[in-house]
Amino acid sequence: NAGVTQTPKFQVLKTGQSMTLQCAQDMNHEYMSWYRQDPGMGLRLIHYSVGAGITDQGEVPNGYNVSRSTTEDFPLRLLSAAPSQTSVYFCASSYSGRPGGETQYFGPGTRLLVL
Amino acid sequence: GQSLEQPSEVTAVEGAIVQINCTYQTSGFYGLSWYQQHDGGAPTFLSYNALDGLEETGRFSSFLSRSDSYGYLLLQELQMKDSASYFCAGSSNTGKLIFGQGTTLQVKP
Repeated sequence: NAGVTQTPKFQVLKTGQSMTLQCAQDMNHEYMSWYRQDPGMGLRLIHYSVGAGITDQGEVPNGYNVSRSTTEDFPLRLLSAAPSQTSVYFCASSYSGRPGGETQYFGPGTRLLVL
Repeated sequence: GQSLEQPSEVTAVEGAIVQINCTYQTSGFYGLSWYQQHDGGAPTFLSYNALDGLEETGRFSSFLSRSDSYGYLLLQELQMKDSASYFCAGSSNTGKLIFGQGTTLQVKP
């Protein structure tokens, strides 16, 4: 198993550009989520999904869209990039949508710089 | 809303025991998890408590008191490789997993 994969690893954008951060898992996990981590900070939940076709907002959803058309993929779209979105983005998955008790498996992260 | 508070930094010497505390305010609280993150790396799962009491996994133990909205991670026989950031995370019945700001542990020789 590849686990949770994220692409790209690094990305530089100009203000106003849009892009999609890819996240895929091959563990047949129902629950997937996106976090951002700013320097010296914790992880803040952007969006999450408890199963294909179901998404919901986290703590900081503004400026981001998600969709979950398949169990495996959970892309994160930046609609119009802003310097405040400069961060490291982590995707995570777990076996079921049952809250708690499930080990979250994190991807390696995407480092995004918005100029 | 949900919020979790933990100390920003803790320092300890190799071989010692260290406790990292976490207090939480989480609507629909379900359980408390702990994650470790080394510089530049992805967080990795350490422990989870849904019920009051102590859970032990090797050198690491985690404790939860639901009545006090409080938990802690206990690291024993500290090793240099334990230098990392440690996050508590609260899960709710809506499926959200919210992380604290993290505690940086520095282990000194």
